[in-house]
Amino acid sequence: SYVLTQPPSVSVAPGKAATITCGGTNNKNVYWYQQKPGQAPILVIYYNSDRPSGIPERFSGSNSGNTATLTISRVEAGDEADYYCQVWDVYSDHRVFGGGTKLTVL
Amino acid sequence: QGHLVQSGAEVKRPGASVRVSCKASGYTFSDSYMHWVRQAPGHGLEWMGLINPSGNTGVAQNFQGRLTLTRDTSTSTAYMELSSLKSDDTAVYYCAKGGGMNGYYFDHWGQGTQVIVSS
Repeated sequence: SYVLTQPPSVSVAPGKAATITCGGTNNKNVYWYQQKPGQAPILVIYYNSDRPSGIPERFSGSNSGNTATLTISRVEAGDEADYYCQVWDVYSDHRVFGGGTKLTVL
Repeated sequence: QGHLVQSGAEVKRPGASVRVSCKASGYTFSDSYMHWVRQAPGHGLEWMGLINPSGNTGVAQNFQGRLTLTRDTSTSTAYMELSSLKSDDTAVYYCAKGGGMNGYYFDHWGQGTQVIVSS
């Protein structure tokens, strides 16, 4: 089965940039979700780098070869959350999540 | 836009079945994919399956034979039924509207339904 690899945790100081990686993407489109404690996930990036309406411009995404990256610039305390990447596996028509990354704002 | 409202929390015995509903509004329900995702306590997101605009379903291997996905287009409601429950099925279950042409991703989520499996 398909496997996406994320670092378990990332820490960043307020005002700095946070980078979260997702390995194993194999040139597939990547989607990113933010989940705060006790809440449902929300979509923050789709098709590798597009932002849904209402998502701040500080959130950006890229995808190169086998690794996708979510970057949060000028991190705020409210960005502290778990972040998950996801792809569509064309062969099985299944959707696959990465293991998630806990972002801590120092 | 899309708004999904799920049914309330459930407590079930091992071996029983649970049925969770997800009522949609704000978009054309019959033209969209609906996915189901679960999250066990302290764990990540796990995709369970989908029902597509034609009413066909796809189920992740982990749930083959135990998961039934249905929908009622007259009421814009999707249903997830999981049978032969075990303690490690204790989780929050989410419905999520598929985004993109083939429901590639999840653009709107329900609030989640807590299911506890305990003897």
